[in-house]
Amino acid sequence: EADIYQTPRYLVIGTGKKITLECSQTMGHDKMYWYQQDPGMELHLIHYSYGVNSTEKGDLSSESTVSRIRTEHFPLTLESARPSHTSQYLCASRPLWDSNTGELFFGEGSRLTVL
Amino acid sequence: AQTVTQSQPEMSVQEAETVTLSCTYDTSESDYYLFWYKQPPSRQMILVIRQEAYKQQNATENRFSVNFQKAAKSFSLKISDSQLGDAAMYFCAYTGNQFYFGTGTSLTVIP
Repeated sequence: EADIYQTPRYLVIGTGKKITLECSQTMGHDKMYWYQQDPGMELHLIHYSYGVNSTEKGDLSSESTVSRIRTEHFPLTLESARPSHTSQYLCASRPLWDSNTGELFFGEGSRLTVL
Repeated sequence: AQTVTQSQPEMSVQEAETVTLSCTYDTSESDYYLFWYKQPPSRQMILVIRQEAYKQQNATENRFSVNFQKAAKSFSLKISDSQLGDAAMYFCAYTGNQFYFGTGTSLTVIP
């Protein structure tokens, strides 16, 4: 079982609230990712990081932001949540040296519902 | 651009039978990796099997095997002797510099 953890697992909040989804991994991986996953849809990359102080936007436009101050920690923040942000958010990581060949390790996901 | 297509949104199989999940991809790269991931309900996505494009031999992991047709850009997953625990969403994925996922196939195992 991969050592990558996401909290909270489930969150229901009202519109306009600020939320932070936490993601931590204990494997020392340099590359970390955030995916958005809707039912019956593929995973959409919204943010990624290649290491400390490195953050990039993914293919899917997102109003969220991320930070990477420590290798093991990659939180995602929504400043003002809206119903359109309702989705499952998956965090993943893989080592830099294995970046094009290695598997992604996933957290259990954070399911967000915005009312 | 790389794309991954899974044309079967849902599949079902009788316990102990064999099922094949389809996946096609598009790429202009010659060296890449392909994966099948399994996502059980409310649980972590985990790797099922990996195939290196430069290897002609199809990957096998216990009851899971792939049929990799590089020229046809096809990468199907065969599950033999299906078990109840195989019920999950299965995602085909391609990786070069980034990961690209298909839309998934929901597999139901009928007792």
